[in-house]
Amino acid sequence: GAVVSQHPSWVICKSGTSVKIECRSLDFQATTMFWYRQFPKQSLMLMATSNEGSKATYEQGVEKDKFLINHASLTLSTLTVTSAHPEDSSFYICSARVAGSGTEAFFGQGTRLTVV
Amino acid sequence: AQTVTQSQPEMSVQEAETVTLSCTYDTSESNYYLFWYKQPPSRQMILVIRQEAYKQQNATENRFSVNFQKAAKSFSLKISDSQLGDTAMYFCAFMNRDDKIIFGKGTRLHILP
Repeated sequence: GAVVSQHPSWVICKSGTSVKIECRSLDFQATTMFWYRQFPKQSLMLMATSNEGSKATYEQGVEKDKFLINHASLTLSTLTVTSAHPEDSSFYICSARVAGSGTEAFFGQGTRLTVV
Repeated sequence: AQTVTQSQPEMSVQEAETVTLSCTYDTSESNYYLFWYKQPPSRQMILVIRQEAYKQQNATENRFSVNFQKAAKSFSLKISDSQLGDTAMYFCAFMNRDDKIIFGKGTRLHILP
């Protein structure tokens, strides 16, 4: 299957700083990328949907000014957690869909963010 | 709103046994896709099997099969001849017309030696 690479795998940052997470489709073009948040032992909660070249669509309750999403190319989407606080600590996962493939979506390996 | 419900938070079975994970969903759409994803301790999401709602035939992938009951909005996963490597969190998921994938809360499956 297609490969989605997410970087970094884990990051620790100080409260008040910003952190950028990258999601790359390595061998395919992804017209749509999704960002999820997963709390320990819980399900994946969709945060936002990003389409290449357009603004991301955020789910209800997700602060768009806090979680900045950029999908500048068909192979790269980034999630920036701005002014991070301890409550933002979580596991963040991206997924990407192959253009014209129907329903297949591939997931990155996730990023564990710890804000201290 | 579309919802996905997994009523079994945790299950344990002996190796080589057959286990069935339950899932129900709610939607007003007539055409959609259903999935089962596996999340092992590495936390990498792995697609196990998918079902297209307009197909009546139940999907099968080797030891994994589903029982799709569209009228009942039920989508259970059967794992035959379970193996230690099947130990993982299993998520039932629904894809709506906006291509958003909505996940259930998951079932933690333990395969015991």
